[in-house]
Amino acid sequence: RKEVEQDPGPFNVPEGATVAFNCTYSNSASQSFFWYRQDCRKEPKLLMSVYSSGNEDGRFTAQLNRASQYISLLIRDSKLSDSATYLCVVNALQDNNDMRFGAGTRLTVKP
Amino acid sequence: NAGVTQTPKFRILKIGQSMTLQCTQDMNHNYMYWYRQDPGMGLKLIYYSVGAGITDKGEVPNGYNVSRSTTEDFPLRLELAAPSQTSVYFCASNFPRTAKNYGYTFGSGTRLTVV
Repeated sequence: RKEVEQDPGPFNVPEGATVAFNCTYSNSASQSFFWYRQDCRKEPKLLMSVYSSGNEDGRFTAQLNRASQYISLLIRDSKLSDSATYLCVVNALQDNNDMRFGAGTRLTVKP
Repeated sequence: NAGVTQTPKFRILKIGQSMTLQCTQDMNHNYMYWYRQDPGMGLKLIYYSVGAGITDKGEVPNGYNVSRSTTEDFPLRLELAAPSQTSVYFCASNFPRTAKNYGYTFGSGTRLTVV
């Protein structure tokens, strides 16, 4: 089993749609959770951290379920500019040197 | 404020050649990392450093070496390049977890092909 698993997609949705991605992780001791966005042939960029209570940033909502060991990202009112690959990242340790990356979920938003 | 700068952006190496991938950051981050990203795979940690003079192996260190003589610079050395090292290499940096925002800042990547 991979340490961080994501549905690779692709997810093809029309503009304005709501789309949700899930990510599961295997290490129950994982401490911190993130979603990164990666555009084609570019570097990953931090989209948002994921907090235990769930958090929202504009059209983006992240949820964490520790009992089931999964993280979700919900995008509302999808824009063309949301087209990218979304990476789930899990940090297993107290410090920063064990971030584990999922392979990513690819999203294409169409007009 | 340039963030994390990587050079070169592209490189083709022949089997057995050596090269150094350069990485420098101007954010005074303590922690720096080297990752590789293969198609359809998650980023894999090669080496990391928690400060000048300190380096540690990550998940896939074989065939690579690093040094951290200053806070700003964290070069990655490939000795005796092999086709299996064909990949996209990303350098990243951040503050420790105790900092308010410790998400990674990535460089723009180096696309390396070994033929």
